[in-house]
Amino acid sequence: DTAVSQTPKYLVTQMGNDKSIKCEQNLGHDTMYWYKQDSKKFLKIMFSYNNKELIINETVPNRFSPKSPDKAHLNLHINSLELGDSAVYFCASSQESERAPQYFGPGTRLTVL
Amino acid sequence: AQKITQTQPGMFVQEKEAVTLDCTYDTSDQSYGLFWYKQPSSGEMIFLIYQGSYDEQNATEGRYSLNFQKARKSANLVISASQLGDSAMYFCAMREVPNDMRFGAGTRLTVKP
Repeated sequence: DTAVSQTPKYLVTQMGNDKSIKCEQNLGHDTMYWYKQDSKKFLKIMFSYNNKELIINETVPNRFSPKSPDKAHLNLHINSLELGDSAVYFCASSQESERAPQYFGPGTRLTVL
Repeated sequence: AQKITQTQPGMFVQEKEAVTLDCTYDTSDQSYGLFWYKQPSSGEMIFLIYQGSYDEQNATEGRYSLNFQKARKSANLVISASQLGDSAMYFCAMREVPNDMRFGAGTRLTVKP
């Protein structure tokens, strides 16, 4: 009965490959997010998405693309992986309110060789 | 633009003592939410406590309390009776709708036995 789940937990791949990370939430939340956490633990928002709008952080390369088959899922596709993409990627979800906390998935540690 | 500042990269506290983790924020909005998250070495992001900008009383959740000083734009986390399991990274965050949540750089807390 995990609230926000991500798969896989670890992902090791070669430069240039294309990979996907899946995310599902069973909290009935309106909005889902993808974050990147670098080696210094800094959390950077990459995307936020609800059934109305996709908001993209302008600093995110267009090799990254979110795909939402339905309200409970927001997958992250990454094309042509680069060494600098190595990081931990977190999915999160929340209601659309400034009072609402975001609930995070367990994270996916991506290593690009 | 939103900005969250955590000035303490690392903090140490003796077991069973209280510790305060500092957080200041910058916003021109009147309505916003302040949050604290814990990230243990296992990597997951755990929501701890929330404070609304219009809340007159400081938020408390068990051993966690939030010292909210609106005029000073500070939202410090107080952990009472520290336990070894409190050793972790702690992130302060702020949310304004329709903007996304923004996180500070984090404070690494180490509880000494």
